[in-house]
Amino acid sequence: GAVVSQHPSWVICKSGTSVKIECRSLDFQATTMFWYRQFPKQSLMLMATSNEGSKATYEQGVEKDKFLINHASLTLSTLTVTSAHPEDSSFYICSASNPGLAGETQYFGPGTRLLVL
Amino acid sequence: GDSVTQMEGPVTLSEEAFLTINCTYTATGYPSLFWYVQYPGEGLQLLLKATKADDKGSNKGFEATYRKETTSFHLEKGSVQVSDSAVYFCALSPGEGRRALTFGSGTRLQVQP
Repeated sequence: GAVVSQHPSWVICKSGTSVKIECRSLDFQATTMFWYRQFPKQSLMLMATSNEGSKATYEQGVEKDKFLINHASLTLSTLTVTSAHPEDSSFYICSASNPGLAGETQYFGPGTRLLVL
Repeated sequence: GDSVTQMEGPVTLSEEAFLTINCTYTATGYPSLFWYVQYPGEGLQLLLKATKADDKGSNKGFEATYRKETTSFHLEKGSVQVSDSAVYFCALSPGEGRRALTFGSGTRLQVQP
């Protein structure tokens, strides 16, 4: 099956710093990538949808200036948490899809755990 | 808006017991339905899916049937194993050009030997 990787798998940073998370589709071209956030023992909440070469579409309540998303190629999307604060601590998960290959199926990365001190 | 409701867990079963995890949904149009599984310390993996009414998705002994009349997509397995212990998420994709998934809250399954 399709493989999606994320890097780093976990990160600890100080409040006020910025953190970049990478999401890569390893064996297929992802026309669309999604970024989700998962709080402990809760479900995934969609943050934004990014299509290769265009601006991301953010869900209501998600600050686009705080969560910068770049989808510069068909195999890489990045999420940058700018000026991170403790309330940004969470599990961030990306998924990738290519409707031409697998319809509506999304393939998920293993997630990145962020802890902001 | 679209929503997915799952039964709360944890669900605790003995090995070889029958499993049912209920899932109902609310959506306009004709969504596709999915079950994802998250094993401890890992990311979500697609377990099975169904794209239209009366379709049955199946994988690894798990099954779920897309019931439009009851807006349900219950997950079943005839005989669970300890290795099935995980969190199971029901999700829908609204279709019609919109592909972001809406997830249920997840149900934790614990299978005891």
